[in-house]
Amino acid sequence: GAGVSQTPSNKVTEKGKYVELRCDPISGHTALYWYRQSLGQGPEFLIYFQGTGAADDSGLPNDRFFAVRPEGSVSTLKIQRTERGDSAVYLCASSGISSAESTDTQYFGPGTRLTVL
Amino acid sequence: GQNIDQPTEMTATEGAIVQINCTYQTSGFNGLFWYQQHAGEAPTFLSYNVLDGLEEKGRFSSFLSRSKGYSYLLLKELQMKDSASYLCAVSAAGAGSYQLTFGKGTKLSVIP
Repeated sequence: GAGVSQTPSNKVTEKGKYVELRCDPISGHTALYWYRQSLGQGPEFLIYFQGTGAADDSGLPNDRFFAVRPEGSVSTLKIQRTERGDSAVYLCASSGISSAESTDTQYFGPGTRLTVL
Repeated sequence: GQNIDQPTEMTATEGAIVQINCTYQTSGFNGLFWYQQHAGEAPTFLSYNVLDGLEEKGRFSSFLSRSKGYSYLLLKELQMKDSASYLCAVSAAGAGSYQLTFGKGTKLSVIP
């Protein structure tokens, strides 16, 4: 596709429920990142995939958060037993070492706004 | 740890020039990025610096001094549409990860 896409754009859920957020990266990009952005803050790193494997998951806040990328393209961020503090915009970014302009520039999707009631 | 500081808010006049500063302290360095983010939208890439000096791209320029842990974004001929948050981010590669560490962003308001 032309850019990174994310679905849904908005998700409202109740405390304790399970949610899945989807990211479709730019075609051909091997690297995929998940970030979380709270109001008035910059994005905060969660997890990085290179191909199918999670190369760095040091940003995941706890074991309720999990992400997969089984075929090296689309990724799903999964949150179990959601809490009100999980409310934020979840951003996905992808990059590929193919740009003559910049190395590993990350291009962001529009995000999923998650609200936990 | 990682620490990135930038001013919270700035106001400038349409047609003027504004400089947004960013200082950083990181355990590694693989480049510094500036992103623009309009309210409710995704960050969009503006510039990338990995070597010291000035990178110019149209109305936008970005400067880096690695020894000082300092960067600035310069916006010329300000337009109303430049009202947005500007995010400074450092790539501190470690173990093959190019995760970005972001500052809190500088909210720029352009007034007539």
